[in-house]
Amino acid sequence: GENVEQHPSTLSVQEGDSAVIKCTYSDSASNYFPWYKQELGKRPQLIIDIRSNVGEKKDQRIAVTLNKTAKHFSLHITETQPEDSAVYFCAASNGFQKLVFGTGTRLLVSP
Amino acid sequence: DAGVIQSPRHEVTEMGQEVTLRCKPISGHDYLFWYRQTMMRGLELLIYFNNNVPIDDSGMPEDRFSAKMPNASFSTLKIQPSEPRDSAVYFCASSIGGGSSTEAFFGQGTRLTVV
Repeated sequence: GENVEQHPSTLSVQEGDSAVIKCTYSDSASNYFPWYKQELGKRPQLIIDIRSNVGEKKDQRIAVTLNKTAKHFSLHITETQPEDSAVYFCAASNGFQKLVFGTGTRLLVSP
Repeated sequence: DAGVIQSPRHEVTEMGQEVTLRCKPISGHDYLFWYRQTMMRGLELLIYFNNNVPIDDSGMPEDRFSAKMPNASFSTLKIQPSEPRDSAVYFCASSIGGGSSTEAFFGQGTRLTVV
């Protein structure tokens, strides 16, 4: 089955810096790669996703890149703000709705 | 729509007791998932349903765990008997099928503490 690895487990940056979180997946059939943000005590919520026919996708300060050959994808957050502090999860799906999540990255943005 | 609704929000029970967690998916969604979240293991998929039928229960840790979906608007996750190591946050999520994967919408979760 699919296995998703996520790094780093924790990431501390200064406000205004960029943050990068990386994930690798094992199943070459996976074709959908969402990223979820979970604030303390709240539910995970989708922030951006990418499908296998696209190499990069941007939404304001957030971007995701996908390298299907290497089976890895990354989340990039630019101009970080304190409200970006949260746990971020990557996930992969092979098209049959089953989402397998990475172990999460705790991002702390210091003012 | 109110989103995915889970109950209870918090549950504290004694070891050996039966625990039932409940979930109401978003109307019109045909996929329902049960996840368990712990610090050590992150978000683990326990089981998921399509059109009320269990598709994959390979993540269910042991026979003490069972899940049902009697109709399109209700699902339960039962633990019997409960053990302290079952303490975690349990999330229900739902999504729409249609040939390709789509966003999963999560409920607010049930924080289970087994003492």
